[in-house]
Amino acid sequence: QKEVEQNSGPLSVPEGAIASLNCTYSDRGSQSFFWYRQYSGKSPELIMSIYSNGDKEDGRFTAQLNKASQYVSLLIRDSQPSDSATYLCATSEGGFKTIFGAGTRLFVKA
Amino acid sequence: EAGVAQSPRYKIIEKRQSVAFWCNPISGHATLYWYQQILGQGPKLLIQFQNNGVVDDSQLPKDRFSAERLKGVDSTLKIQPAKLEDSAVYLCASSLVSGDSDTFGSGTRLTVV
Repeated sequence: QKEVEQNSGPLSVPEGAIASLNCTYSDRGSQSFFWYRQYSGKSPELIMSIYSNGDKEDGRFTAQLNKASQYVSLLIRDSQPSDSATYLCATSEGGFKTIFGAGTRLFVKA
Repeated sequence: EAGVAQSPRYKIIEKRQSVAFWCNPISGHATLYWYQQILGQGPKLLIQFQNNGVVDDSQLPKDRFSAERLKGVDSTLKIQPAKLEDSAVYLCASSLVSGDSDTFGSGTRLTVV
């Protein structure tokens, strides 16, 4: 059974701090990795995608991928109260079988 | 560009009744997905279409769930008969190609009583 594991949280950080979200996956064939943000009562929306080992930065967000350790992370710099949401990690193998983790709830305190 | 359209937004039915959901993906997106998201869990892929062909339906409870994508555009997901444990949000998503990130519709919240 292919799985994506995330700490359910909640992760609470003060405004302006760095939030670090982590994800591990079991399928070594995974090729695509995604972070989605989901506000309460809303649908997931894509934050970052990453396909190769290393870091990928987009504004305040940095995704990190380590395929050897089967580990993906998302860093949110200068966290804002509007970042409070559930963050979903997802993996995909060759365009098939997208698997989502259960998500980590993040609270950013003003 | 217009997003992924879904209807209805909410549905309440009694157990053993049937229900259908509709999805219109982003124009030009060949891949369409139906997900089930139970409260507190991540989305679970039910079925993936590439144009009008099924790519993966390994987690679709085929004794009660069915889905079709006619002409490779719109799609419907049906549940018959519904069970209490089917209460969830049903999300439709599409992507330009398989393996690309998904764009989600607003979802249909189903409550089975």
